[in-house]
Amino acid sequence: GAGVSQSPSNKVTEKGKDVELRCDPISGHTALYWYRQRLGQGLEFLIYFQGNSAPDKSGLPSDRFSAERTGESVSTLTIQRTQQEDSAVYLCASSFETGPLRYTFGSGTRLTVV
Amino acid sequence: QQQVKQSPQSLIVQKGGISIINCAYENTAFDYFPWYQQFPGKGPALLIAIRPDVSEKKEGRFTISFNKSAKQFSLHIMDSQPGDSATYFCAASRDFGNEKLTFGTGTRLTIIP
Repeated sequence: GAGVSQSPSNKVTEKGKDVELRCDPISGHTALYWYRQRLGQGLEFLIYFQGNSAPDKSGLPSDRFSAERTGESVSTLTIQRTQQEDSAVYLCASSFETGPLRYTFGSGTRLTVV
Repeated sequence: QQQVKQSPQSLIVQKGGISIINCAYENTAFDYFPWYQQFPGKGPALLIAIRPDVSEKKEGRFTISFNKSAKQFSLHIMDSQPGDSATYFCAASRDFGNEKLTFGTGTRLTIIP
């Protein structure tokens, strides 16, 4: 596609439920990143994929968070047993080459845990 | 540990004026410093970036000034326009392999007529 597509754009879930957030990167982009943006704060790195392997998952805040990527395509971020502090905008970015120089961000998924 | 500190948190500038946003970093291994612009409901978009081998980079009305010894860099928007109203984030990383970006907390810029 022309850009990075994320779905859903908005998600409201009850505390304790599991959620899945999807990211469709730009076709051919080998690198994929997930970031979290809490209200009024900067972006926090969560995890990075090169192909379908995750060399850096150091930003995942707890074992309730996991992510996978199939080939050099779609990625899914899963949050289990959601908590209110998980409420944030989850942003995905992809790049054609390694390095941050060519990040293209999606518009994000706004997650609200009630 | 916040490694990139950004100020101010919000900024109001009159149309035609100069908008200045400042950032300071701690990690001396950082060697790539981009600025991102974000409009409501959209993801951040790369605006301009600099490496520490130069002290200034200019693209149109946007200029990054970089002070390596002070570990500070700033974004200057000349002749600010209402369309520049957005949230601006500075960021830093090692320009090495596939390094993640460390972001500042953002500055909400409002340009008034």
